[in-house]
Amino acid sequence: DTEVTQTPKHLVMGMTNKKSLKCEQHMGHRAMYWYKQKAKKPPELMFVYSYEKLSINESVPSRFSPECPNSSLLNLHLHALQPEDSALYLCASSQVVTLLSLDTQYFGPGTRLTVL
Amino acid sequence: GIQVEQSPPDLILQEGANSTLRCNFSDSVNNLQWFHQNPWGQLINLFYIPSGTKQNGRLSATTVATERYSLLYISSSQTTDSGVYFCAVVRGISNFGNEKLTFGTGTRLTIIP
Repeated sequence: DTEVTQTPKHLVMGMTNKKSLKCEQHMGHRAMYWYKQKAKKPPELMFVYSYEKLSINESVPSRFSPECPNSSLLNLHLHALQPEDSALYLCASSQVVTLLSLDTQYFGPGTRLTVL
Repeated sequence: GIQVEQSPPDLILQEGANSTLRCNFSDSVNNLQWFHQNPWGQLINLFYIPSGTKQNGRLSATTVATERYSLLYISSSQTTDSGVYFCAVVRGISNFGNEKLTFGTGTRLTIIP
């Protein structure tokens, strides 16, 4: 199974809401990633978890809160978002746990988030 | 930070044509990958190619690290090749926290039947 699943596929939320994005993989990968992709732009790395510990935070605002409850699951908790946070949020996983050696990432289909 | 520019930004080709996509980066890198993002947003790894040449079916890639560029070749294009092609580079000096992954600006490829 080389699949990374993400739920929900689409999410519309108000600026005062709290919501969570979920990502799951069952490939035994020990690194998981969150990316943000605005329309017609390249993906931007947000967070990296290695062995269930946060290893990279690309200066992401605190209204985005990642969580890795176990080696298969990655969550992104959202609170008090702004309309400019509307984007495609992509999750990925990899066997290799260091970016310097990263060879293959498996991406989920993404969650399209709209903040009203 | 490192600049990663891709060219051309847009490319429209007839089915069966060949194409060359370019990725230029402004500083030395430890790692380079090519991705394809289909029209529905799914990203797929194509190549891990920090240097040298690799081939996979109709696709091949070459990275000349000393000259700071990489090329992706697509031969005998098919409509399913449509989408956006990204290169991504990693630059860093040690593990955990010092590495930086940067995606290029992308090339949007449209293959017309």
